[in-house]
Amino acid sequence: ETGVTQTPRHLVMGMTNKKSLKCEQHLGHNAMYWYKQSAKKPLELMFVYNFKEQTENNSVPSRFSPECPNSSHLFLHLHTLQPEDSALYLCASSRGGLPSQETQYFGPGTRLLVL
Amino acid sequence: EDQVTQSPEALRLQEGESSSLNCSYTVSGLRGLFWYRQDPGKGPEFLFTLYSAGEEKEKERLKATLTKKESFLHITAPKPEDSATYLCAVQAPLSGNQFYFGTGTSLTVIP
Repeated sequence: ETGVTQTPRHLVMGMTNKKSLKCEQHLGHNAMYWYKQSAKKPLELMFVYNFKEQTENNSVPSRFSPECPNSSHLFLHLHTLQPEDSALYLCASSRGGLPSQETQYFGPGTRLLVL
Repeated sequence: EDQVTQSPEALRLQEGESSSLNCSYTVSGLRGLFWYRQDPGKGPEFLFTLYSAGEEKEKERLKATLTKKESFLHITAPKPEDSATYLCAVQAPLSGNQFYFGTGTSLTVIP
């Protein structure tokens, strides 16, 4: 185990539903990340939080809304998603702080299917 | 534009048949290069971080090397349990916390 947990592991939702993904890290890290992984494509960075402050938002549609209440927890709130949003959503954490030589540790992911 | 390219896309090896995976990058400067292993339906598992050209790291049957333009992941006498997708990522100095990932090499080791 990497020390990063994600729930749920699988999620099926309709386009009008609202759901949330949860990530928790037990590594004492201060930076947390959301990635989207689709087949045959590189991991796409969505959001970065460093000491609870959002530092990156890579032009992600507003139907994805992140929340970071503390350095150990990260949420991704989902609403009115599209079928093309179906993917594996990965959470990661790293030591954080000033940009440095960072290693990210990933959770197991949430497999999302939008119908 | 910063870019990471991995080759081959897929590789099938007989058990015991050594080979290498390639990760080439065109980022403007390099803060770190990372190798991960990913099993189907799971998150990437960290393997190595390399920081400067000439650096090498080893773990069991895996050895990672780094030059100024590319990295190699050498697999010596692979076993079926080494079958997975191997991902490469780079962190560039001007990108803050941005990591650029390749699309991975899917390795299958046949008994």
